[in-house]
Amino acid sequence: AAGVIQSPRHLIKEKRETATLKCYPIPRHDTVYWYQQGPGQDPQFLISFYEKMQSDKGSIPDRFSAQQFSDYHSELNMSSLELGDSALYFCASSQWGASSGNTIYFGEGSWLTVV
Amino acid sequence: QKEVEQNSGPLSVPEGAIASLNCTYSDRGSQSFFWYRQYSGKSPELIMSIYSNGDKEDGRFTAQLNKASQYVSLLIRDSQPSDSATYLCAVISRYSSASKIIFGSGTRLSIRP
Repeated sequence: AAGVIQSPRHLIKEKRETATLKCYPIPRHDTVYWYQQGPGQDPQFLISFYEKMQSDKGSIPDRFSAQQFSDYHSELNMSSLELGDSALYFCASSQWGASSGNTIYFGEGSWLTVV
Repeated sequence: QKEVEQNSGPLSVPEGAIASLNCTYSDRGSQSFFWYRQYSGKSPELIMSIYSNGDKEDGRFTAQLNKASQYVSLLIRDSQPSDSATYLCAVISRYSSASKIIFGSGTRLSIRP
């Protein structure tokens, strides 16, 4: 079965640079979530989109922005990168109202290292 | 108080024994409950989902939900070394359009041979 696809899997950037992460949800899933997980920490919710509109916002810094496109893929843009942005970034998707009870499935994650 | 609370562990269980993982949540309106397993450096993997009071069994795993006590647990029978991981309890706090899922901090489980 198709899963959530994230790219790139690994990314190294310098401070103050910009990074873009991409997420391709499971086919027919209409909701995308972004999470940030620092070393030894639980995943922190950043932002979510439902039917290409922002639906919820968590602890996403103002330096970050995201959007969901017409094909339902999503991109997370991070600017003015700081060392503390180094983390594993997960994208997840779900299908609202599905018989699976809105179960959320995760991608493999994108490792961002800021040096 | 965190919305979803778990004992961080580590919880050490001998191989073949039953591992019991517990989770409490604060929002009485919560509708959907999940257990994810996460290996170090990997993404969370869905183990169990449960939506109504009682027990739900799937292979060696049993999820238990008690909404009155705002408590959800995961039992792992016949624990194997491969079960050693961090287990994340997750709750959807509102069954609205595009709700966010809230994670506990996770319990580290170690199965000793």
